[in-house]
Amino acid sequence: DAGVTQSPTHLIKTRGQQVTLRCSPKSGHDTVSWYQQALGQGPQFIFQYYEEEERQRGNFPDRFSGHQFPNYSSELNVNALLLGDSALYLCASSLPGTETQYFGPGTRLLVL
Amino acid sequence: SQKIEQNSEALNIQEGKTATLTCNYTNYSPAYLQWYRQDPGRGPVFLLLIRENEKEKRKERLKVTFDTTLKQSLFHITASQPADSATYLCALEGTNAGKSTFGDGTTLTVKP
Repeated sequence: DAGVTQSPTHLIKTRGQQVTLRCSPKSGHDTVSWYQQALGQGPQFIFQYYEEEERQRGNFPDRFSGHQFPNYSSELNVNALLLGDSALYLCASSLPGTETQYFGPGTRLLVL
Repeated sequence: SQKIEQNSEALNIQEGKTATLTCNYTNYSPAYLQWYRQDPGRGPVFLLLIRENEKEKRKERLKVTFDTTLKQSLFHITASQPADSATYLCALEGTNAGKSTFGDGTTLTVKP
């Protein structure tokens, strides 16, 4: 059983560019959450998707947007990249009504 | 605003000893609290969950306590091993599952 997978593993962009990160949830999971983790800090919640709708959102600007597809996979889009967007972006999947989240390995984004 | 503090950034102990990590929170009434392990460059891995009406939870060499009066959780690893070396994160969850609020973690090093 494959766990949560994310692509790409690493990415380098320049300021002002746009980026799309992808996530495939664990088999059978239909809820996907995205987190941003800066170096030396804990993950910060960006948003959560369920049934192709954004269900919850953290304190992130509108430059951060997402999408969930019918197969439950998800994308995170970040527009107008800033240096401060450099971080590890984590995707986590879960089943509704359960508390345990399963995290993917993350995508390391570097903005120059 | 909600705040989570994990006792120290780094904890060094000798193999065989018990490691105790602390998670304190303010301005929050979590429905439950979770502990994760994170290795460098990897996503967090779920370890234990404890609910607000539970005082203690155990799993093999791991033990978690939860004191909602003190607003504190303690995480113990008994008979520690060098393989236990990692960063340990605590995360609080309200009634909306999947929107976890994480601390910045404590990096544990177990020396042989």
